[in-house]
Amino acid sequence: EVQLVESGGGLVQPGRSLKLSCAASGFTFSNYGMAWVCQAPTKGLEWVASISTGGGNTYYRDSVKGRFTISRDNAKNTLYLQMDSLRSEDTATYYCARHWAGYWYFDFWGPGTMVTVSS
Amino acid sequence: DIVMTQTPSSQAVSAGEKVTMSCKSSQSLLYSENKKNYLAWYQQKPGQSPKLLISWASTRESGVPDRFIGSGSGTDFTLTISSVQAEDLAVYYCEQYYDTPDTFGAGTKLELK
Repeated sequence: EVQLVESGGGLVQPGRSLKLSCAASGFTFSNYGMAWVCQAPTKGLEWVASISTGGGNTYYRDSVKGRFTISRDNAKNTLYLQMDSLRSEDTATYYCARHWAGYWYFDFWGPGTMVTVSS
Repeated sequence: DIVMTQTPSSQAVSAGEKVTMSCKSSQSLLYSENKKNYLAWYQQKPGQSPKLLISWASTRESGVPDRFIGSGSGTDFTLTISSVQAEDLAVYYCEQYYDTPDTFGAGTKLELK
């Protein structure tokens, strides 16, 4: 059974950093592109970043470029999101999601981890 | 960025009703080389993460009941639930993956009448 479990969320002050992790199991992690998708409270879904199977290619939405870094450790079956220079507008639930077969829709999602940026 | 517009934003329904919801994109999602529409539908129940229902505009995922029907092409797409069940009350999102960044609609919320 495919499982994605996020961790690392919490309350952080503006300008500080946070690192999210996503532990994957039930499938060959290294064969799939992965992504982070966020959802602000009571709002819709917004793609944040994606990474290719080997980690060599990364993609970001404009609002997080230069502040967030997506990475993966295929030996540990784990996806990461390093979030620096956090802003109040980054407050959201962050979902780890699997890309299907190189296409950019998401066939499995984790339960999410909440990030709150506030002083 | 491709803008995805979903209507209505909310809809009150009764069990057994047929429901349709719309998703329109600001540019065509039909890729000429493979004749596929790069459009997915997701269901998000309260307190849960999204679940993929349909990809390629009309291909149901394994295990998704056949009352969920995706249709449309180009810029106009529809999700139909042929006979709504209580467990279908949720927010439904469309997503285009034709171009980067992939973008989602704002969602259609199904509520009990």
